[in-house]
Amino acid sequence: DVVMTQTPVSLSVSLGGQVSISCRSSQSLVHNNGNTYLSWYLQKPGQSPQLLIYKVSNRFSGISDRFSGSGSGTDFTLKISRVEPDDLGVYYCGQGTQYPYTFGAGTKLELK
Amino acid sequence: EVQLVESGGGLVQPGRSLKLSCLASGFTFSNYGMNWIRQAPGKGLEWVASISSSSSYIYYADTVKGRFTISRDNAKNTLYLQMTSLRSEDTALYYCARTWPPDYWGQGVMVTVSS
Repeated sequence: DVVMTQTPVSLSVSLGGQVSISCRSSQSLVHNNGNTYLSWYLQKPGQSPQLLIYKVSNRFSGISDRFSGSGSGTDFTLKISRVEPDDLGVYYCGQGTQYPYTFGAGTKLELK
Repeated sequence: EVQLVESGGGLVQPGRSLKLSCLASGFTFSNYGMNWIRQAPGKGLEWVASISSSSSYIYYADTVKGRFTISRDNAKNTLYLQMTSLRSEDTALYYCARTWPPDYWGQGVMVTVSS
């Protein structure tokens, strides 16, 4: 199985600041078809997760350009700029390149 | 508006069975693969099972293989998860989610396995 390792476990940020979350996979996430199925989700307190980024760097519909994804192979990053109160919660990375699909353990973003 | 509404959860004793449903609306259900994803209390996300749009392809996590069955009825716009031989470690909030990566999620339904 592909193990997804997220760092840090938690992150404190000031409003308006910028943060980065790292996600590393135990195997390359490049699919045989050439696509890399790495996605990012945010779970706000008391809510269902929501899709932010898919295929490494593509923002889902309605997602602010303050969110950006990058990376390749086994090493990926989510950057959030100009952090707003609504950005707080737990961020997960997930892979859909091979079954079983797996998620990272999450990174909790809190206010400093 | 895409909506996914789960139902069928509850408190069940170990070894018993339960069937979850997810009613989809706001999109052409028969065009999309669907998933069940669960989250144990205070824990992260765990993929449980996936089914393709026409039920041709089905995949399970090893933790549920042989005990859970994912299915769908495209005429009823409904996704199902039949859970048997339930264990305490199956206690979780179960989400149904559309396609992969999951772009829409239901609100979740709680399953508690306890004597």
